[in-house]
Amino acid sequence: SQQGEEDPQALSIQEGENATMNCSYKTSINNLQWYRQNSGRGLVHLILIRSNEREKHSGRLRVTLDTSKKSSSLLITASRAADTASYFCATDGTGANNLFFGTGTRLTVIP
Amino acid sequence: DGGITQSPKYLFRKEGQNVTLSCEQNLNHDAMYWYRQDPGQGLRLIYYSQIVNDFQKGDIAEGYSVSREKKESFPLTVTSAQKNPTAFYLCASSPRPGGTQYFGPGTRLLVL
Repeated sequence: SQQGEEDPQALSIQEGENATMNCSYKTSINNLQWYRQNSGRGLVHLILIRSNEREKHSGRLRVTLDTSKKSSSLLITASRAADTASYFCATDGTGANNLFFGTGTRLTVIP
Repeated sequence: DGGITQSPKYLFRKEGQNVTLSCEQNLNHDAMYWYRQDPGQGLRLIYYSQIVNDFQKGDIAEGYSVSREKKESFPLTVTSAQKNPTAFYLCASSPRPGGTQYFGPGTRLLVL
């Protein structure tokens, strides 16, 4: 399976703290994406980072990519209770026609 | 109002029954996907379609079937051969294979 893995599986923090999630994958990629899923809902795309990029920012989100280690991290700064959700990384795999999703990190932000 | 819709939100299946989950998009996307999500798990790909009248099996296609007769629609049938169908089913579309995916709200399938 080409499915990636997120680490940790679950993370609980206080509002205002930063949250860091990691993703490891197995194959060469063109890009890596992060998605968010609120409980019982569909996934929402957050950010995409290309294989030739090392860092990307979007609002309170910062994503890094290390292709030599086949890993990525998602940092959410100044977390809010509304950030409570599951976060998934997804990779395309060179030549693939679909995405491979990780197992997700369940983030709980305590008000 | 563009988007991707799934219906119904909840679906109940009796033993030996086939059921069909609807997925419609008006985003003019070529690629569409079906995923299965079990509690606390990631997404597993069931089927995907890159273009009308064409589709490919994903990792867990057994017990499922699809059709892609129209660009906007990609229905999924859960057949009686699928012995453990209880799960959350997500449909997605993408402007190109391997690109950013846009998800519907999901259908939760339960077995009576």
